[in-house]
Amino acid sequence: ETGVTQTPRHLVMGMTNKKSLKCEQHLGHNAMYWYKQSAKKPLELMFVYSLEERVENNSVPSRFSPECPNSSHLFLHLHTLQPEDSALYLCASSQESWGNEQFFGPGTRLTVL
Amino acid sequence: KNEVEQSPQNLTAQEGEFITINCSYSVGISALHWLQQHPGGGIVSLFMLSSGKKKHGRLIATINIQEKHSSLHITASHPRDSAVYICAVGKYGGSQGNLIFGKGTKLSVKP
Repeated sequence: ETGVTQTPRHLVMGMTNKKSLKCEQHLGHNAMYWYKQSAKKPLELMFVYSLEERVENNSVPSRFSPECPNSSHLFLHLHTLQPEDSALYLCASSQESWGNEQFFGPGTRLTVL
Repeated sequence: KNEVEQSPQNLTAQEGEFITINCSYSVGISALHWLQQHPGGGIVSLFMLSSGKKKHGRLIATINIQEKHSSLHITASHPRDSAVYICAVGKYGGSQGNLIFGKGTKLSVKP
């Protein structure tokens, strides 16, 4: 595997379910990001981790819970989501976090019923 | 008003045409990024620039810091260039990793 991978690629869940999105980067980077992309809206930064510590949390509801166990892996735990949370969730990584080129994964298309 | 504005929102071109996509921003920046997003979602970084001009194959990106404006040009366009092109800026003095994104320009190149 090369680059940034995300699983699953598609996810359908009910509002009472708990699920997790996984991101893995094979680039030796030390910063990782979660983005949300809703229809007809710009990409929105959700979380930034640098050296496995969270450095940015853009007022994201607590029903989204990130986890970064090491510099190669990033998770987004989901629980009690709302239909308006349906979106494409993209993971990215970079070498150091400020201003550097980010490499994106293919995204997880999430549908909340 | 968004801090990053792109124009046009949608663009249809014939194969072989020269294409220009524009990006204007209203904040001080450390760098500007051009990204390409194909149907299905995956995003590829095309350019990161803070001054002047960069070229990669048929793609050229320019930036004018004084005018707070950048352009992405595609020469000899091809149907495989069909994608959404996104401009993003790293805000000067902004939070770590915090890029501000434009809404994207959807390009369709017809054979």
